[in-house]
Amino acid sequence: ELKVEQNPLFLSMQEGKNYTIYCNYSTTSDRLYWYRQDPGKSLESLFVLLSNGAVKQEGRLMASLDTKARLSTLHITAAVHDLSATYFCAVSNYGGSQGNLIFGKGTKLSVKP
Amino acid sequence: DAGVIQSPRHEVTEMGQEVTLRCKPISGHDYLFWYRQTMMRGLELLIYFNNNVPIDDSGMPEDRFSAKMPNASFSTLKIQPSEPRDSAVYFCASSPSPWAEILLGVNTEAFFGQGTRLTVV
Repeated sequence: ELKVEQNPLFLSMQEGKNYTIYCNYSTTSDRLYWYRQDPGKSLESLFVLLSNGAVKQEGRLMASLDTKARLSTLHITAAVHDLSATYFCAVSNYGGSQGNLIFGKGTKLSVKP
Repeated sequence: DAGVIQSPRHEVTEMGQEVTLRCKPISGHDYLFWYRQTMMRGLELLIYFNNNVPIDDSGMPEDRFSAKMPNASFSTLKIQPSEPRDSAVYFCASSPSPWAEILLGVNTEAFFGQGTRLTVV
């Protein structure tokens, strides 16, 4: 069974500092995704990571994937208030017996001045 | 494309009533997912379809829940009878097939609808 664990679940950040969110998954996966959700809103795709060693960056966010360790990280550089949201990682296994898309519990980020 | 369209956006119903949630996926997407989101349980995958065929419904909480996809452009999630513990936000999402990555160079990311906030009183 494919399981996804994120930590921390809550993160209070200070503006200007750097932080990392971790995402572990339990079985072989094709793809790893990061999503953002603002309160009361839908989920917005941030990154799609397809292969071992993949790294993608958008603004102050950088995501990486280590398929051997079954670990992805989302690194936040110099946090700003606009980044306050809940971030989810999700894992799929289209190529295997399960083409499902399983999400972690989410990490709620709060950036304080 | 207008994205994934869900209706209604909000639904308030009395316990015991039948509730039907609707979803129109993005045209050309082969996969359709139904999720339920609550504070306690997070984002749970209820069921997903591939080319209109239900592949895995192990996440459907009980027999009161059923989902159909009669064609590539429409899916429904039905709860009958509804109970207060069914109150949640229900999301529909769709994604292209992995073949689209190879043939068209698109990512197989799932695009979410705006959700239906269901309240059962």
